[in-house]
Parts: sequence; C-alpha cells; structure tokens
Amino acid sequence: SAVISQKPSRDICQRGTSLTIQCQVDSQVTMMFWYRQQPGQSLTLIATANQGSEATYESGFVIDKFPISRPNLTFSTLTVSNMSPEDSSIYLCSVEGEGFSSYEQYFGPGTRLTVT
Amino acid sequence: DQQVKQNSPSLSVQEGRISILNCDYTNSMFDYFLWYKKYPAEGPTFLISISSIKDKNEDGRFTVFLNKSAKHLSLHIVPSQPGDSAVYFCAARNQGGKLIFGQGTELSVKP
Repeated sequence: SAVISQKPSRDICQRGTSLTIQCQVDSQVTMMFWYRQQPGQSLTLIATANQGSEATYESGFVIDKFPISRPNLTFSTLTVSNMSPEDSSIYLCSVEGEGFSSYEQYFGPGTRLTVT
Repeated sequence: DQQVKQNSPSLSVQEGRISILNCDYTNSMFDYFLWYKKYPAEGPTFLISISSIKDKNEDGRFTVFLNKSAKHLSLHIVPSQPGDSAVYFCAARNQGGKLIFGQGTELSVKP
C-alpha cells in the first residue's frame, strides 16, 4: 500500500521562529490536507493543499501564519510562522484519491511541535 | 458548534468482550462516515467507513452501524483484544468533501 511520510517527526522551536513540515506520498494523489491536533483536542482541518494553486484555508487559519505549498501530486509543505506556545500541536497531513480509495483520507505519522 | 460528538471520553472493556463506541452528529447532509484509530505518537489509521445510504458495514471484527433518523453511528469491535487499546475518532464527510472529527474515545481493553 502507498506510504505517507512526514519530516520532521518532532521538533522543539523557539517562539518567533518558523518551521516547515514536509509531507511526501509515494504515489500520486488528488487531494492533500493539513490538520492540527492540539493537546487533548480533536483533529482540526487547517487547509486543503491545491496542486499548482493557492491553498484553501478553513475559518480561523490564514496564509500568513500557515503558508502551504504543493508543487506536484506527491508533495506538500506546511510552514508554521512566527510561532508562539499556542502553536504547540501535532500537525498531520492526509491524502485522498488516485492511489487511495475515494472518500477515505489516509494520514501521515504526524509532526509533534513544541514551542518554548 | 460541535457537529460531530463522541460523548464518552473513555471506555474500558475486558478482553474477548464487545466494545461499542458511539458517535452523534447534527448535520443531516453528511454523506459518509469514517472511524479512525490512533496510537500515541502515530497518525490516525483508517479503520472502516459507511455511506449514508447504508445502515451497516462489516469488516472482520469491526462493524459500523448508522442510524440516520437518530443521527447516530456506532463502532462495534468483537471480540476485543488488548491491541485494540487506542483512541478512536469518528469523522463525518460534509458536502464540500471535508472531514469533521469527533473528540475521540480512548478504549482500554484489559487482559
């Protein structure tokens, strides 16, 4: 089955800095998404990463804070900018379509971010 | 506005018995429902799904039931095994194709 990987798996960052998280899939996919899971909370969709165009952000999330790139059908990045301790979360990418069943999203292993 | 709710934050079951995890939703336009299992330090793993036009879907030890009139779905695991201990999330797909997740239920299966 197709593999979804994320880098880094975890990081500890200073407030005010930025971190870029990579998501790589070993087959082409139609849809890629970015989620956040804050401590003790559920998964919240940040944005849909659109190939070749700007990402579509959910309410409460903005491009200046969470810029996203998706240069092709197998790769995407999420940057967490100007970090504060409130950004400490697990960040997850997910994929849907092409090599995966329609209507079912499959998740990467996540990036655990701690901001001090 | 919590559109998908899992009202039980935790559940403890004896090995070999049935585990029943529940999920309620408010939006009658959801067209697809999914269950995910999550271990600590890992991403959620897709378990089983059901279309809104069905009322039951079974895959091995896992069965999902959907009651549209009650806006309720449940996941049955039988027999439960210690390796099933994890956090289980239900999710509903809206008309825009986005998943809305519940808060999760932590299942503990005791030997």
